[in-house]
Amino acid sequence: GEDVEQSLFLSVREGDSSVINCTYTDSSSTYLYWYKQEPGAGLQLLTYIFSNMDMKQDQRLTVLLNKKDKHLSLRIADTQTGDSAIYFCAESRDGGATNKLIFGTGTLLAVQP
Amino acid sequence: EPEVTQTPSHQVTQMGQEVILRCVPISNHLYFYWYRQILGQKVEFLVSFYNNEISEKSEIFDDQFSVERPDGSNFTLKIRSTKLEDSAMYFCASSAGTSGGLGNEQFFGPGTRLTVL
Repeated sequence: GEDVEQSLFLSVREGDSSVINCTYTDSSSTYLYWYKQEPGAGLQLLTYIFSNMDMKQDQRLTVLLNKKDKHLSLRIADTQTGDSAIYFCAESRDGGATNKLIFGTGTLLAVQP
Repeated sequence: EPEVTQTPSHQVTQMGQEVILRCVPISNHLYFYWYRQILGQKVEFLVSFYNNEISEKSEIFDDQFSVERPDGSNFTLKIRSTKLEDSAMYFCASSAGTSGGLGNEQFFGPGTRLTVL
């Protein structure tokens, strides 16, 4: 079955690194995504990783994928107060008629000044 | 920058009433989606739509739900007879294609909060 799990809450100090973790169960997942949701706003795609990669870096964001353990993480370097939001990981399977996303529960990141 | 818009931002309705949630996807996109998020729970896939027909739907999307693209710009979700458990945030999304990754990413609207009393 398809299931994606995340820890619910993370609190960090401004300037520290944040690491948000996610586990998934579907071994046929092709793409794994990180979305950000700010209050009152929609889901904004931050970054994604293809399943044949194990790391992707994009400015302050680093995504690590351990396909054997089905574990995905998002590291935010030099976390700022503007990074406070809910972060969702999501997975999808390529090649289907649609690209439906299976989301995790979301992790609320609170950045303390 | 193009964006997905949704109206209304908040809808309050009585149990048993019909509601229509509206979305305007990004204009050159071909694939359209509805997701919902019950308060405190996961974002769940409801339905995907392409070429004027449903391409996939979840178990949640029962006979009470329907989708339509009545013209070239709107994409609507109708709930015929709302139940208390339909109270949730409903997100519309659109994409240019279905192969994952950037270029075919799903762009989400800000959501409509539906409250069923």
